[in-house]
Amino acid sequence: DAKTTQPNSMESNEEEPVHLPCNHSTISGTDYIHWYRQLPSQGPEYVIHGLTSNVNNRMASLAIAEDRKSSTLILHRATLRDAAVYYCILNSNSGYALNFGKGTSLLVTP
Amino acid sequence: SQTIHQWPATLVQPVGSPLSLECTVEGTSNPNLYWYRQAAGRGLQLLFYSVGIGQISSEVPQNLSASRPQDRQFILSSKKLLLSDSGFYLCAWSVTTGSNEKLFFGSGTQLSVL
Repeated sequence: DAKTTQPNSMESNEEEPVHLPCNHSTISGTDYIHWYRQLPSQGPEYVIHGLTSNVNNRMASLAIAEDRKSSTLILHRATLRDAAVYYCILNSNSGYALNFGKGTSLLVTP
Repeated sequence: SQTIHQWPATLVQPVGSPLSLECTVEGTSNPNLYWYRQAAGRGLQLLFYSVGIGQISSEVPQNLSASRPQDRQFILSSKKLLLSDSGFYLCAWSVTTGSNEKLFFGSGTQLSVL
């Protein structure tokens, strides 16, 4: 399975934008890029996913590099409730389940 | 709407005791079901997944087993717990396969083996 690389942790001030990077240099043409986040003591929740084009939803935006070897999850205005571990994962056609790494732990300070 | 129930929320068990964690999904039929484990300070590790009743795939050989006796019920078991079985166990479901699959997680069980 193609793997992703994310920084272990990032910090942001409240009400500022946050850009969470993810590298996936071995991505294949059919891999979708998925983002999940996990709040403390909870199960992960789906955030957003995309294939080639940038995507927006009510939670976040996903910017995908033209060569698809990296992507960035954008939280437009961080709140304290956005403090969580953010996982970037590739979903291929080769298997049913998604494998998660350690993700990026986002700290939001007031 | 679909919901996933996982219990208990916390569990403290002695080494060598058996384990049974249950997960049920409502509001959907024939879901794919998954068990993940998250050890302290580590990422989510896929343990088992099931695409149908009685069909279980194991990702990591270990002290645990899984069963799917009904379409929307998934059970994680152990005959004898080890200290290394401690962790946060998460059940999840999805209904699509392939690249567009989305997972929906339960609230998890924090297992402490002492």
